[in-house]
Order: sequence, then structure tokens, then C-alpha cells
Amino acid sequence: EAGVAQSPRYKIIEKRQSVAFWCNPISGHATLYWYQQILGQGPKLLIQFQNNGVVDDSQLPKDRFSAERLKGVDSTLKIQPAKLEDSAVYLCASSLRAPNTEAFFGQGTRLTVV
Amino acid sequence: KNEVEQSPQNLTAQEGEFITINCSYSVGISALHWLQQHPGGGIVSLFMLSSGKKKHGRLIATINIQEKHSSLHITASHPRDSAVYICAVNRGNQFYFGTGTSLTVIP
Repeated sequence: EAGVAQSPRYKIIEKRQSVAFWCNPISGHATLYWYQQILGQGPKLLIQFQNNGVVDDSQLPKDRFSAERLKGVDSTLKIQPAKLEDSAVYLCASSLRAPNTEAFFGQGTRLTVV
Repeated sequence: KNEVEQSPQNLTAQEGEFITINCSYSVGISALHWLQQHPGGGIVSLFMLSSGKKKHGRLIATINIQEKHSSLHITASHPRDSAVYICAVNRGNQFYFGTGTSLTVIP
């Protein structure tokens, strides 16, 4: 079974630039999550999709972060403009449905803002 | 206060030692997960528990729902077990994560 695919694996940008991350969940998984993991901390949920609808985006900094999941499959997360404190690993995960189902994580995108 | 607390934060062990990582949570949950994260890598799900005990190879996970506590045990530890182990719980539609336990197993 193919896992959750994310790209790019690494990205270095200057502050105030824009960046986009892409996630392809496991086929058939209705729920998709984007997490931000700052070094030394646990993942923090940014946004959760159920199919192409948003379930929870309460911790998404909407002034600079946006995410979409067109057609309920692939998803993109964008940061515009980036700040130094956005340096983190951005993890995408998917599950068949929420709650009570196992989540499968991608390899993550390590973002460095300089 | 974080809903999920793990201990210890950092752990160094000699190869072959028996290792225990603890997780306590303060909210009602429907399931608890143990995850493994290697440096520079993504996260791999090790176990999902809602009661009792599960075993996979040298890994054992237990949960006590009444005490809101779970443990992850590694028997006969090996350097390749070196990673960050994260406890996460399901509550409603969400996952809540601990901050992780960084394990280093020395040959």
C-alpha cells in the first residue's frame, strides 16, 4: 500500500517569501491533517479536512497560512509571507475517517526560513 | 498544561536494556497511539490502543483507561531503536500529541 506522499522534503526560503507544500494521502482516506512540528515539540494541528471540507482550522494562522483540498484528495498548504518562526517540519497525515482510526503520516517537509 | 504528558523527555540506554516510556493524559479519549519518528524522517504509527495490551516484535504497549496512563516497552533494545517516540490520543475528531521521548540506544 502506498503511503502518504509529501513534497518537497526540504525547503529553504527567505522571510517574507511564499512557499507551498503538497500532500497526497493514501487512496480512499477521507480525513487529511496538516501538522506543524517545531523542533523539540510535538506536532500541532493546523487544519483537518474531511473529504474537501474543513473540520478544524482553529489553530491555523489565517493571516499567512492557507490550505485547500480540492476534490477531496490532494492538499496544498501555503505560507505567504513566511516568518522566521515558521521554521518547522510540516507533516501531512491521513486516515480512513475520524475519530478512532489509525493515522498514517508522510515524511514531512522541513522548512527553514532565513 | 498539555493534555498529554510523556516521561522521560530524554532517555539513553545500553544495547540490550529493557526500556519503558510513559504517557499520561488528562482528557477522555477514544484511542491512544504510539508513534515513532526518526531524525529527518516522518512519523510511523507503532500501535493504536483503546484497552489492554498489544505486542509487535520487541515492542509492547499497554493502556490503563481508569488511570489514564499508557506505557511503551522495548525489550532487548538495539541502536536502530534510537528515535523520538510520541504518544498521541484521539479525542473527538482530533489528535493530541505529547512532546515526545528522545531515545538513544548505545551499542
